[in-house]
This record gives sequence, structure tokens and C-alpha cells, in this order.
Amino acid sequence: DTGVSQDPRHKITKRGQNVTFRCDPISEHNRLYWYRQTLGQGPEFLTYFQNEAQLEKSRLLSDRFSAERPKGSFSTLEIQRTEQGDSAMYLCASSPLGQPNTEAFFGQGTRLTVV
Amino acid sequence: SQQGEEDPQALSIQEGENATMNCSYKTSINNLQWYRQNSGRGLVHLILIRSNEREKHSGRLRVTLDTSKKSSSLLITASRAADTASYFCATDASSKSTFGDGTTLTVKP
Repeated sequence: DTGVSQDPRHKITKRGQNVTFRCDPISEHNRLYWYRQTLGQGPEFLTYFQNEAQLEKSRLLSDRFSAERPKGSFSTLEIQRTEQGDSAMYLCASSPLGQPNTEAFFGQGTRLTVV
Repeated sequence: SQQGEEDPQALSIQEGENATMNCSYKTSINNLQWYRQNSGRGLVHLILIRSNEREKHSGRLRVTLDTSKKSSSLLITASRAADTASYFCATDASSKSTFGDGTTLTVKP
């Protein structure tokens, strides 16, 4: 296992289209996180899974955003009816279940450009 | 708004010098973590310091935590050009991390 994998690395889409990103966490990690990062800023939390359960969602995650982790392994993040403001880097991270807050391992991210 | 705020926003030093970055936060935390990010890449975890710890070392990195002042510092000693990156602190008050906007470090060879 080489770490957290995200696909695609880059996505250019027209405004109004739907996009879906995939994240494959480190295999033994129970926790999976999605963050969004815009240029010059730090990552902002979007949502968090423990196994297949989505335990927390940010208010940043509008109705157009949905995330799933159906079998507690890989996760998908879908954005419907994309807007230019959705352009950002979408980062996935995973961590093992253990004492609160252990090190999170990040993927390389998916850079979304909405034109 | 972000929980952690890094200071300075940008730092430029010569190779071999030490670099110090600071992070301030607002609410009680369980842990504080420092990450590094090269341009356009994902984040790499550097060090985690728990709320009951005051100082931690890892190689050329030294992290301090002062919970009474709600602040942390990251010291990189004997900097190298390869240390050029953005550095973020992340505070953990629950299951998720809250990041600041980072310090951009440039190390000139």
C-alpha cells in the first residue's frame, strides 16, 4: 500500500456539469476525511467518515455536494451543477482508529477547475 | 474562520539559518499538528504534539506548545533549500483537524 490515492489528479469541467472524485485510503484506516483548499489558504474540512458512517458534515457542504463510503473502504465526493466557486483542490485524508486524533495521511488531491 | 492562524504569512531565509513559525488558536484543543505542503501537492504530516506536552523534537524540527497562551511554534534548524514549502498548523478539538492559512517558507541556496 503506497498511501492515500486520489483520482483524478486534475479535472476541468464546464459550469453546470456534475463531477465525481474518488479516494482510496490506506487499507487499515477506519477514518476518512475530505477537505477543500483554495489558493493561498489552508484546507477546510468538508466531511468525515468512520468506516461507512458519515459522522460529520461541514456547513460548507451544500446540497450540491454528496460524499459516500459505501463499504467503508474507498470514498467518492460528488459535486452536482458545478459553479466557478467550486474550483479548488479537494484533498482526502485517512487515519487509523485509535486514541483521539492521530496522524492523518493525505492524498495528492484532485484539482478541480470549473470554466 | 480558521481555528489556527500562522505567523508570519511568508518567511524568506538563507540556507543554513533557522526558521521559526508560530501558530495561535482560539479554543481548547486535544492536539496540535504541523504539516508541510509543497506547491500543488498534498500535505505531509510533520509532527503531532498533545495538549499535555510542551515540547517535541523530530530531526531538525522542534515544536513547542503553550496551552495557556494558545500558541505553538515550529522551529526548523539548519534550513535547506528543500525545506521551501508552506507549513500549516492544525488543531484537533474533535475528530477533525482545523487548519490555519499557513506560512510560506522560502529557503534561498
